[in-house]
Amino acid sequence: AQSVTQLDSHVSVSEGTPVLLRCNYSSSYSPSLFWYVQHPNKGLQLLLKYTSAATLVKGINGFEAEFKKSETSFHLTKPSAHMSDAAEYFCVVSEREAGSARQLTFGSGTQLTVLP
Amino acid sequence: NAGVTQTPKFQVLKTGQSMTLQCAQDMNHEYMSWYRQDPGMGLRLIHYSVGAGITDQGEVPNGYNVSRSTTEDFPLRLLSAAPSQTSVYFCASSLDRGLNSPLHFGNGTRLTVT
Repeated sequence: AQSVTQLDSHVSVSEGTPVLLRCNYSSSYSPSLFWYVQHPNKGLQLLLKYTSAATLVKGINGFEAEFKKSETSFHLTKPSAHMSDAAEYFCVVSEREAGSARQLTFGSGTQLTVLP
Repeated sequence: NAGVTQTPKFQVLKTGQSMTLQCAQDMNHEYMSWYRQDPGMGLRLIHYSVGAGITDQGEVPNGYNVSRSTTEDFPLRLLSAAPSQTSVYFCASSLDRGLNSPLHFGNGTRLTVT
């Protein structure tokens, strides 16, 4: 069975400062991991994905995430926040369970506020 | 490039009414799904389809029906609306069921049941 824990429901940063959104997961097998962003009144948009290649994954809009198997973490970072980064962010685990189709598990989301 | 299109954007129903939420994708994706999003609960899978003519239940299927007569369309039917079905509904598709296939989301339907 798999689960996803986003450790902070809200994160607030000043514009121009680094962003860190934390995600821990549990998985019985080798999962794929995703980060999605949701702007107000919009659907979720893919930021980046980890698929067992490089452990440091670069995504759109300057975001990146590092897969750390020993820590079962997949934290999302950005060196310098921009006002347009204010949104909700979701960490997602993708795993194939025996005899069934892909199982996707969503974290409960982290709301990022960027202060001027 | 339309992607995933959902209609309507907003809907208000009275308890007991029925309605259909429409979802269409133009990317020739094999996999389609419906999620509901409630505050603090992330997204929960209602139903999904792995191809035309094939559907299956997700985590929270009660009170909802789906069908997949074409590759492009995957409507969600509420048979008898209840206040507990007040939520934001998202349709999402992916190329296939592969672990690495990312989901493409529509912009959602905000449903209120009074």
